[in-house]
Amino acid sequence: AQKVTQAQTEISVVEKEDVTLDCVYETRDTTYYLFWYKQPPSGELVFLIRRNSFDEQNEISGRYSWNFQKSTSSFNFTITASQVVDSAVYFCALLSNFGNEKLTFGTGTRLTIIP
Amino acid sequence: DSGVTQTPKHLITATGQRVTLRCSPRSGDLSVYWYQQSLDQGLQFLIQYYNGEERAKGNILERFSAQQFPDLHSELNLSSLELGDSALYFCASSVDRPGELTDTQYFGPGTRLTVL
Repeated sequence: AQKVTQAQTEISVVEKEDVTLDCVYETRDTTYYLFWYKQPPSGELVFLIRRNSFDEQNEISGRYSWNFQKSTSSFNFTITASQVVDSAVYFCALLSNFGNEKLTFGTGTRLTIIP
Repeated sequence: DSGVTQTPKHLITATGQRVTLRCSPRSGDLSVYWYQQSLDQGLQFLIQYYNGEERAKGNILERFSAQQFPDLHSELNLSSLELGDSALYFCASSVDRPGELTDTQYFGPGTRLTVL
């Protein structure tokens, strides 16, 4: 069975602060993929990043960075110098079970950036 | 813009009715997925089609069905609608390259269904 836990339901920070969104996953597969998607108030789901289970290198893209740690089954997402446009619901997702390509989503974290 | 299109954007209908949601995948993508997002269930996988054939099934009700046509667009049919079917329905697509374990799923803007 697969499971993704995003324990933080809602987070509010003041603009320009850094914020980290937590994601913990469970899977019995040795090969799996982790994703982060952003859902802004307009409703669409925007792909942010994909990470393979055999690549634990952290990634930075502009103000966004991701920390993948297999030892703790976590894939955390940090936004540096947050901006109002970062306000959205962020979903962490897991894909394993090769051949059954469904994404298992966490419940999401609603991030509000206060101007 | 992900390149995945969905129509209609909004749909309001009554209980007992039947509706069809349409999805066009990104150019070149062979796989289409349908997901349902509701307040109580979150984002749930419904069904996947690959190049016209059903590949995987999730928590899809028997009242719901889908198909993928030769031009690769897909339709999700929802019948005997109930109040609880009100949700945001997403379509996603991916390339599914042979020999690769998986590919990123890109999501359309969704269809918001309201059942009154």
